[in-house]
Amino acid sequence: EIVLTQSPGTLSLSPGERATLSCRASQSFGSSYLAWYQQKPGQAPRLLIYGASSRATGIPDRFSGSGSGTDFTLTISRLEPEDFAVYYCQHYGSSPLYSFGQGTRLEI
Amino acid sequence: EVQLLESGGNLIQPGGSLRLSCAASGFTFSSDVMSWVRQAPGKGLEWVSSITEGGDRTSYADSVKGRFTIARDNSKNTLYLQMSSLRAEDTAVYYCALRGTSKSFDYWGQGTLVTVSS
Repeated sequence: EIVLTQSPGTLSLSPGERATLSCRASQSFGSSYLAWYQQKPGQAPRLLIYGASSRATGIPDRFSGSGSGTDFTLTISRLEPEDFAVYYCQHYGSSPLYSFGQGTRLEI
Repeated sequence: EVQLLESGGNLIQPGGSLRLSCAASGFTFSSDVMSWVRQAPGKGLEWVSSITEGGDRTSYADSVKGRFTIARDNSKNTLYLQMSSLRAEDTAVYYCALRGTSKSFDYWGQGTLVTVSS
């Protein structure tokens, strides 16, 4: 079973700053199956990044994903007020078929 | 435009049963793997179950295996989750999600709340 650990738990930044969120896996796996989501209070999650580095439809280019093996990163180049939310990474594999990290809260 | 609309959430006593539905539109429902993902109050996301396009293969999280059953009716563009032997720890918002080719959850419904309490 692959466990995803996200860090930091909470990240406090200001608009205009750069955010770097980490997702570390307990075992190495193919980067094709790593995704990132954004969730705002009272809303469903929204897909940001799939395949570790591909932006989903309609996602601004200030969001970027990178990484391979066991270490993956979501970077937001210049924070906008609407970017303050909780971010989750997600892996597709086996047992369980899908797993999520515990989330990183990005706060102002 | 892809739309996923969950329904069926309710307050239910421990040990009870409930069926959730997810009405899909805006895409070819019969061509996509569908899933349920849940989120307990104030907690993170947990994958619950998935079903293949034709409904011939299903997968479950260990936490629900043997108690929950996922199904789909491609003629009605509807996904279901039959939940039985419900426990307090099943209390959550349940989301219906469309899985993309990269095994990510590309689209989500707005969720339906299931509360298990006496």
